[in-house]
Amino acid sequence: GENVEQHPSTLSVQEGDSAVIKCTYSDSASNYFPWYKQELGKRPQLIIDIRSNVGEKKDQRIAVTLNKTAKHFSLHITETQPEDSAVYFCAARNSGNTPLVFGKGTRLSVIA
Amino acid sequence: DAGVIQSPRHEVTEMGQEVTLRCKPISGHDYLFWYRQTMMRGLELLIYFNNNVPIDDSGMPEDRFSAKMPNASFSTLKIQPSEPRDSAVYFCASSLSLGLNTEAFFGQGTRLTVV
Repeated sequence: GENVEQHPSTLSVQEGDSAVIKCTYSDSASNYFPWYKQELGKRPQLIIDIRSNVGEKKDQRIAVTLNKTAKHFSLHITETQPEDSAVYFCAARNSGNTPLVFGKGTRLSVIA
Repeated sequence: DAGVIQSPRHEVTEMGQEVTLRCKPISGHDYLFWYRQTMMRGLELLIYFNNNVPIDDSGMPEDRFSAKMPNASFSTLKIQPSEPRDSAVYFCASSLSLGLNTEAFFGQGTRLTVV
């Protein structure tokens, strides 16, 4: 089955700097890669996703990139703000009607 | 729709007691998932249902864990007997399908503490 590895487990950045979180997946049939944000004490919520027929997707200050050959994808947050502080989860799913498999999460702290 | 609703939000119980966690999925969603979140393991899928039928329970850690979905609007996760290592946040999530771009919506979670 699918296995998703996520790095780093914790990340601290200064406000205004960029943050990058990286994930690798094992199943070459995976074709959907969402990212979830979980603020302290709250539920994980989808913030952006990418399909395998797309290499990059942007939404304001966040972007995701996908390298299918290397089987890795990344989340990029530019101009970080204190409200970006949260745990971020990457996930992967293949086309075989299987549930999302999540990485272990990255705790991002943006220091004002 | 109020989203996925879980109860209780917090549960503190003594080792050996039975614990029941409850979930109401979003109306019309065919899939329901139970996840466990810990610092060490992140978000682990325990079991999921399609149209009230359990599809894959390979993530259920032990026979002490059981889950049911008696109808489309209600599911339970039961731990009997509970142990301190079961302490975690348990999330229920639901989705329309498992197709591409189908978002999984999470409940607020139940923080379980077994002492």
